[in-house]
Amino acid sequence: EAGVAQSPRYKIIEKRQSVAFWCNPISGHATLYWYQQILGQGPKLLIQFQNNGVVDDSQLPKDRFSAERLKGVDSTLKIQPAKLEDSAVYLCASSRISITGPDVWANVLTFGAGSRLTVL
Amino acid sequence: AQRVTQPEKLLSVFKGAPVELKCNYSYSGSPELFWYVQYSRQRLQLLLRHISRESIKGFTADLNKGETSFHLKKPFAQEEDSAMYYCALIGSGGGADGLTFGKGTHLIIQP
Repeated sequence: EAGVAQSPRYKIIEKRQSVAFWCNPISGHATLYWYQQILGQGPKLLIQFQNNGVVDDSQLPKDRFSAERLKGVDSTLKIQPAKLEDSAVYLCASSRISITGPDVWANVLTFGAGSRLTVL
Repeated sequence: AQRVTQPEKLLSVFKGAPVELKCNYSYSGSPELFWYVQYSRQRLQLLLRHISRESIKGFTADLNKGETSFHLKKPFAQEEDSAMYYCALIGSGGGADGLTFGKGTHLIIQP
């Protein structure tokens, strides 16, 4: 199966500018996640979608970050305006079905290659 | 809140030596635990999960609920094991908090 696709792979912007990242999950995966990984740290969940609905966005800085998954397939994550501390790798991941389902693979995430953001 | 602690930022061992990467967790219910690995220039990927009870690439991990630990072990390290290793947890309550990762341990296997 094709993997999780992300673009762009790299982006350099100045603070206060805006940026958008795109993710296309594995076909048929209902759950999609956006993680932020700052250098030297583990990935931190920003937002989790199940189909086109938000399951959890408690750690998403909503004053500047937004995400959508309008048709329940691909997703975009936007930052506006960007701050220096937003420099990180933004990882998209997907999993097979709802984590509340009986599928034993439901909790296994497949990750994309990530989008590295540098804010100057 | 769920939390995963990996006390070692860096672990360096010689080829052929045993390896143990430590992971402790904090969760009030029954979590599912995972080890994810990221090799140089590759994507983060699943290594193993506790419910599978299997050995992957010679690695095993046992969930110890009494000590709230899920240490990753391999009896004889190989150079290709050099990578970043992340311990992760998902809660039994439907995972509303998603998969929570530790900060990772950089494993270096010296020849």
